Amino acid sequence: EAQVTQNPRYLITVTGKKLTVTCSQNMNHEYMSWYRQDPGLGLRQIYYSMNVEVTDKGDVPEGYKVSRKEKRNFPLILESPSPNQTSLYFCASSLSGSREQFFGPGTRLTVL
Amino acid sequence: EDKVVQSPLSLVVHEGDTVTLNCSYEVTNFRSLLWYKQEKKAPTFLFMLTSSGIEKKSGRLSSILDKKELSSILNITATQTGDSAIYLCAVDGNKLVFGAGTILRVKS
Repeated sequence: EAQVTQNPRYLITVTGKKLTVTCSQNMNHEYMSWYRQDPGLGLRQIYYSMNVEVTDKGDVPEGYKVSRKEKRNFPLILESPSPNQTSLYFCASSLSGSREQFFGPGTRLTVL
Repeated sequence: EDKVVQSPLSLVVHEGDTVTLNCSYEVTNFRSLLWYKQEKKAPTFLFMLTSSGIEKKSGRLSSILDKKELSSILNITATQTGDSAIYLCAVDGNKLVFGAGTILRVKS
């Protein structure tokens, strides 16, 4: 089944404790992206990747890191999480040149 | 700054009603407008509208792009409780920008 998977789905952590949210897709998509969704603000792009070893900042990259060592994986790293990073996070992927993105199930992160 | 504004923010209708959701945008180098439906968690793709395809229809859902007015509408006829969701509009210009969404609740 073609899908985007994220782990974990729910995470409660404390300020300053490094964490990684994994994202994997099995559709051989070149483009992958991370979004956060907050009430009243819609989806805001954090980082995106056009292909392996190519990443770029989105609208709200501060406090986040990403890497794209393999085509299928695009992990999101929070080196020192803070409470303002409490949010619902989505990973998405698409074929290069297509804006029809496939979204993962989301990760609900709470930083205390 | 690119922006996408959706209206209304939320609405409640009864089964069988017809609804119209609005999306207006200001983006640089417009390429396409996309509609997504978000039930419970992950958004799922509905339509993509471009300059060469300004009207799309799928079952009870249809969408029109008005490039002069820089806007789009999403119509849902004969609504069902399963249509309850957040409807997201996104516009692809120099970057992909999402609106805040319209929360639709269909009561039985």
